[in-house]
Amino acid sequence: AQSVTQLGSHVSVSEGALVLLRCNYSSSVPPYLFWYVQYPNQGLQLLLKYTSAATLVKGINGFEAEFKKSETSFHLTKPSAHMSDAAEYFCAVRRMDSSYKLIFGSGTRLLVRP
Amino acid sequence: DAGVTQSPTHLIKTRGQHVTLRCSPISGHKSVSWYQQVLGQGPQFIFQYYEKEERGRGNFPDRFSARQFPNYSSELNVNALLLGDSALYLCASSLEEVGWTFFGQGTRLTVV
Repeated sequence: AQSVTQLGSHVSVSEGALVLLRCNYSSSVPPYLFWYVQYPNQGLQLLLKYTSAATLVKGINGFEAEFKKSETSFHLTKPSAHMSDAAEYFCAVRRMDSSYKLIFGSGTRLLVRP
Repeated sequence: DAGVTQSPTHLIKTRGQHVTLRCSPISGHKSVSWYQQVLGQGPQFIFQYYEKEERGRGNFPDRFSARQFPNYSSELNVNALLLGDSALYLCASSLEEVGWTFFGQGTRLTVV
């Protein structure tokens, strides 16, 4: 079975500070891993994805995530937060061996203080 | 290029009624999936269709059904609505059966 745990339902940072959103996964087979962002009253936008090609994945808007198999983690980071980064962030996992469905974490709401 | 489009964007229904939600995938995408996102939670998988056949079903009651049309658009139907069905319903499409998934803006369903 697969699952995703996002530590911290809310994270608050100052503008310009480092953003760190935590994601740990559980999977019996090698997984694909994703980060999605959701702005208020909108759908999900793909930020980045891990496909086993490289452990450090760069996404849009300056975000990146590092796959650490030994820690079963895929934390999302951004060196300097911007006010426009305030949103809900979801980590998701999917099996590599042909399964179709995404399994999402419960989400982390990022608040950016001026 | 148009992304995944869903209609309507919002609707309000009464308990016991039926609802149909519609989705048009990205042009050329043959797979459509449906997710339910209850307020404060992550999306939960409901269905996937590929080439008009059901490929997967999540842990939802039989009141939920879906279909995919020859043009790859899709409908999600929910019968005998309950208050707990109030949620954002997200449609997603991908080029292949197992492909990168792109989401629409969602339909906000409120059951009163």
